[in-house]
Amino acid sequence: DIQMTQSPSSLSASVKDRVTITCRASQDINNYLAWYQQKPGKVPKLLIYSASTLQSGVPSRFSGSGSGTYFTLTISSLQPEDVATYYCQKYNTAPLTFGPGTKVDIK
Amino acid sequence: EVQLLESGGDLVQPGGSLTLSCAVSGFTFNNYAMSWVRQAPGKGLEWVSVISTGGLSTYYADSVKGRFTISRENSKNTLYLQMNSLRAEDTAVYYCAKSAITGTARVYFDYWGQGTLVTVSS
Repeated sequence: DIQMTQSPSSLSASVKDRVTITCRASQDINNYLAWYQQKPGKVPKLLIYSASTLQSGVPSRFSGSGSGTYFTLTISSLQPEDVATYYCQKYNTAPLTFGPGTKVDIK
Repeated sequence: EVQLLESGGDLVQPGGSLTLSCAVSGFTFNNYAMSWVRQAPGKGLEWVSVISTGGLSTYYADSVKGRFTISRENSKNTLYLQMNSLRAEDTAVYYCAKSAITGTARVYFDYWGQGTLVTVSS
């Protein structure tokens, strides 16, 4: 099975900082990659699909890129409401594996 | 408005069984694959299982294969997860999640339920 890794596992940044999270797949998954945001005590929310397509209603400061085995999620200007754990998920084939998550908080 | 409402979570002894349900509304249920995703306390998301629109195709995580069965009743707009031979490591909040696109097994999720807690302990 394809394994998903994320780095870093956690980060602390200042408001308005540019933040980048990396997700790697152990094999080529083309662009079948989604990103989710889960705020503390809340349900996961879809941010990006097809590696780079922003879900409707998601702020434009979020962006995704990559293909194959290497993907990134970027928050161009970190806001206090972005404190959350971010997960990538592959969906080229089952198993529909999630990455281990990256916890983002404010410095 | 899309709604997914899980039920059936409970405290169960190791080796026991439990069936979760997810009642949905606000979309045409039989047009979308559905999944179960779980989250152990303080841990990350773990995909559990997915079922195709008609229920003929199902897939499972290795951690639950042979013990869990996903099913759906399209006439009742309801998704199920039958869980047998439960272990302590199955303790988690179980979410049902809707595929964002119709008619495919390449599934990512645009709507999630609030989750139901399953605790496996003696």
